[in-house]
Amino acid sequence: IAGITQAPTSQILAAGRRMTLRCTQDMRHNAMYWYRQDLGLGLRLIHYSNTAGTTGKGEVPDGYSVSRANTDDFPLTLASAVPSQTSVYFCASSEGSGSSETQYFGPGTRLLVL
Amino acid sequence: AQSVTQPDIHITVSEGASLELRCNYSYGATPYLFWYVQSPGQGLQLLLKYFSGDTLVQGIKGFEAEFKRSQSSFNLRKPSVHWSDAAEYFCAVGDFNKFYFGSGTKLNVKP
Repeated sequence: IAGITQAPTSQILAAGRRMTLRCTQDMRHNAMYWYRQDLGLGLRLIHYSNTAGTTGKGEVPDGYSVSRANTDDFPLTLASAVPSQTSVYFCASSEGSGSSETQYFGPGTRLLVL
Repeated sequence: AQSVTQPDIHITVSEGASLELRCNYSYGATPYLFWYVQSPGQGLQLLLKYFSGDTLVQGIKGFEAEFKRSQSSFNLRKPSVHWSDAAEYFCAVGDFNKFYFGSGTKLNVKP
């Protein structure tokens, strides 16, 4: 069982380019999340999805979009990347969407925007 | 607004010594609290969580945490640290379908 996979592992991107970070889970979890991790700031929620077909905004959604066409996949798109989006991006999932749910994290994608 | 504060950015302890990592939260209702650990280059893994009942929670790898409502704290403890515990530790609070993380405490373990 792979759990959560993310692709690419790392990427260098020119500012203004479009980029989609991929996230796939094989646990049949209902809820999925995207976080960015920046030094000294911990993890901040970008977008989440409680179930397939629904999405919601987190703390820092500007410049990012997501879709949830099915249970397994939750791609994150940067429509026009900017240097401030340089970060480590983590996808996570949980069985349900309540406050007590354990989240399972992917290995992360390291993104450098120049 | 919900928030989590981890006042210690770095902590160094000797192997075999006890450990306490501090976490304070701001939340209006009964909090759902978590501790996660992140090894270098890895994603986060749950150590333990609290949402009701006994205020002393046991987790994996010999860790425990105590919820103190009066102090708005959820400190993580371990009686004897192992070199493999060197990692970054994150405290988090759950709010319906959103989670708020602290900025993390990086633990170094001296041989």
